Amino acid sequence: DAGVIQSPRHEVTEMGQEVTLRCKPISGHNSLFWYRQTMMRGLELLIYFNNNVPIDDSGMPEDRFSAKMPNASFSTLKIQPSEPRDSAVYFCASSFQTGTGELFFGEGSRLTVL
Amino acid sequence: GENVEQHPSTLSVQEGDSAVIKCTYSDSASNYFPWYKQELGKRPQLIIDIRSNVGEKKDQRIAVTLNKTAKHFSLHITETQPEDSAVYFCAAAAGNMLTFGGGTRLMVKP
Repeated sequence: DAGVIQSPRHEVTEMGQEVTLRCKPISGHNSLFWYRQTMMRGLELLIYFNNNVPIDDSGMPEDRFSAKMPNASFSTLKIQPSEPRDSAVYFCASSFQTGTGELFFGEGSRLTVL
Repeated sequence: GENVEQHPSTLSVQEGDSAVIKCTYSDSASNYFPWYKQELGKRPQLIIDIRSNVGEKKDQRIAVTLNKTAKHFSLHITETQPEDSAVYFCAAAAGNMLTFGGGTRLMVKP
């Protein structure tokens, strides 16, 4: 398996623009997580899905953020409109058993909002 | 929810010395405690984990200990090498969510 695949790897956009980050989890994994990493706040869990269903989105900063998982092999994280404070590395991760199995991270999407 | 505190935030050791990173957690229901290593510009990767039914686990130069009564767990790296230089994250799973500590930047000086 190629591991968790994220795209784009780098995104530079202007404030107010819509940003869509994409993730393909490892085949067979039933849990998917979106994390945000910044120097100030470390690794923050934004949302996680179990069997394609959003279970906890309490980490989503505000209504500008939304996430979907239309099927077991694809998820998106959307920011609309984007702001400079959204600049961070966004990681997608997947696991077979939520919370009790190894978490496999993608390579991350580095977002810069000017 | 779960709160994980990690210390120190930075740690500098001489090659060959040992390094110890400590974490505390708040939720007594947590039962899974993994450690991740993140090299510069790379993704976090699992290096070792421990579950609440054991107190210690070892894998070559790394070991983890868990004290459920005190709600703390530690990572021990012996005979450190320059390639051990990275950011290390502890985490705790309470229910269905993994909460990470703030990370420790380990620098191993040759």
